[in-house]
Amino acid sequence: ELKVEQNPLFLSMQEGKNYTIYCNYSTTSDRLYWYRQDPGKSLESLFVLLSNGAVKQEGRLMASLDTKARLSTLHITAAVHDLSATYFCAVVTNQAGTALIFGKGTTLSVSS
Amino acid sequence: GAGVSQSPSNKVTEKGKDVELRCDPISGHTALYWYRQSLGQGLEFLIYFQGNSAPDKSGLPSDRFSAERTGGSVSTLTIQRTQQEDSAVYLCASSLGERGEQYFGPGTRLTVT
Repeated sequence: ELKVEQNPLFLSMQEGKNYTIYCNYSTTSDRLYWYRQDPGKSLESLFVLLSNGAVKQEGRLMASLDTKARLSTLHITAAVHDLSATYFCAVVTNQAGTALIFGKGTTLSVSS
Repeated sequence: GAGVSQSPSNKVTEKGKDVELRCDPISGHTALYWYRQSLGQGLEFLIYFQGNSAPDKSGLPSDRFSAERTGGSVSTLTIQRTQQEDSAVYLCASSLGERGEQYFGPGTRLTVT
């Protein structure tokens, strides 16, 4: 059974500092997603990582994938308040249908 | 273009009643997924439809849950004899083909009293 673990689950950040969220998964998978969710809202796709060594960047967020270690990281550079949200990583099961298996989410709070 | 839409956005029902939740996928997307998000269980896969193939029901938590997809487009998730533990946000997603990126709708918040 594929399991996805994120840590930390809560992260209180100071504006301007750098932070990293980790996502570990238990079995082989060929793609990993990062989503953002604001309170009361649905999931917004941030990144799709398809291969070992993949790195994608958008603004202050950078995601990377190490398929050998079964690890993805989401790095936040110089945190700002509008990054406050819950971030989920999700991994494809490789079963028919490619259902997503989600981590529990990391809730980020940025304070000045 | 239009994204995934879901209705109703909120539903309050009494324990024991049946409810139907609707999902309109993005036009042209052949794959459709239902997920559930609750405080205790996080985000869980429920059921998946791809084209005319038999649905993957492996995530449905009990036989009170069922779903159908008519004409390869709109889907309805039905929960019979609702229980308090069914209270959650039900999210629908669609993708262009079974390997495509999934786009999520706004969800239906179900509260069972």
